[in-house]
Amino acid sequence: QSVLTQPPSASGTPGQRVTISCSGSSSNIGSNTVNWYQHLPGTAPKLLIYSNDQRPSGVPDRFFGSKSGTSASLAVSGLQSEDEADYYCAAWDDSLNGHVVFGGGTKLTVL
Amino acid sequence: QVQLQESGPGLVRPSETLSLTCTVSGDSISNYYWSWIRQPPGKGLEWIGCISYTWTTNYNPSLKSRVTISVDTSKNQFSLKLSSVTAADTAVYYCARVSYSYGSGSYHADFDNWGQGALVTVSS
Repeated sequence: QSVLTQPPSASGTPGQRVTISCSGSSSNIGSNTVNWYQHLPGTAPKLLIYSNDQRPSGVPDRFFGSKSGTSASLAVSGLQSEDEADYYCAAWDDSLNGHVVFGGGTKLTVL
Repeated sequence: QVQLQESGPGLVRPSETLSLTCTVSGDSISNYYWSWIRQPPGKGLEWIGCISYTWTTNYNPSLKSRVTISVDTSKNQFSLKLSSVTAADTAVYYCARVSYSYGSGSYHADFDNWGQGALVTVSS
């Protein structure tokens, strides 16, 4: 069972807006920044959002990250077929000498 | 543009030690923290641990007793050793560069560059 909780699946039609949630606790999301990764099967995961709401160069502004308290969200607007992938949230956790924790991942399907 | 490449045996026998190396090109290993992450078949990503060029390490508490991560600055490489492996350790193992900092009371650690991954199967 993952420390960060994500819904196992999400879906939407092309052009729609979809939101993926990530729930944690005071020792991880509540204290530290959240990052999001996009993972296509057979490829290396890609950093999508860092520091809660920052996009690396090259990531479309259709991807939007936010954080409030011990939860975070990833919103994808103008959904496209190439957005179909697994999405993971992650954060530093202060407990047990410090370590990184991941969410269980959300499979986004474009209908 | 930094590139990372995992290398090592694709098959390890139960109870033995899994060993992988990540070769970094396009950047000095002395400038960042570096990490190992794995994904068992059909499951999500699991962080294994990280190391800085000064040998400061942090490990996943659930794996800490079996994991050693080391760095070789002369070869611009870092390595993973996981002892006493079982079938549950079968996974794709990724190495990644870590952008790590502390400020305003918060820790930040993101994996901004990844290797392509190496499948390691534990089987007799």
